[in-house]
Amino acid sequence: KAGVTQTPRYLIKTRGQQVTLSCSPISGHRSVSWYQQTPGQGLQFLFEYFSETQRNKGNFPGRFSGRQFSNSRSEMNVSTLELGDSALYLCASKPGQGAWYEQYFGPGTRLTVT
Amino acid sequence: AQSVTQLDSQVPVFEEAPVELRCNYSSSVSVYLFWYVQYPNQGLQLLLKYLSGSTLVESINGFEAEFNKSQTSFHLRKPSVHISDTAEYFCAVSDSGGSNYKLTFGKGTLLTVNP
Repeated sequence: KAGVTQTPRYLIKTRGQQVTLSCSPISGHRSVSWYQQTPGQGLQFLFEYFSETQRNKGNFPGRFSGRQFSNSRSEMNVSTLELGDSALYLCASKPGQGAWYEQYFGPGTRLTVT
Repeated sequence: AQSVTQLDSQVPVFEEAPVELRCNYSSSVSVYLFWYVQYPNQGLQLLLKYLSGSTLVESINGFEAEFNKSQTSFHLRKPSVHISDTAEYFCAVSDSGGSNYKLTFGKGTLLTVNP
């Protein structure tokens, strides 16, 4: 089975721009979660989607949004980029919504905002 | 709200030495506990998890962790480390009931194994 894929792997944007990141989960997985990883804050939960609906949301401003498509692929969007948005964005998928499922992580998209 | 504290941000050890990576959590409800490992330039991989039952859980590569409810801890141990164990290790917690399936991570412990 192919793993979780994320595109693009690297991205450089300018402050004020917007960006869209993509995540393709493992085939058959219906839950997709997004995390932001920075050296200072560590791994922070952004949101989780299941069956095209946002089920959980972390403490991030409304500039961060996401969606999930009927094939379980997910995108996250960040509008009006700030320097502090520079981070590694990780996507993780699992078969169902339960907390007991193992999350499978993609390699991440490294976003640099200049 | 849940929180996870990994007491050591960096742990340097020599090859074949034992190691313990400490993790404490706070939660007002029953929890599931996880250890994930992140190798350089890669995503996270599950190392082991505690859901219920035996409080001692083991991974296939020699790591083990023990759930201690009274001390709200889930420390990770390995009796003899290898160079290849060099990585960042993350402890994580999730509610075992209700509808909040969010995974809360600690800030990570960088394990460096020296020859």
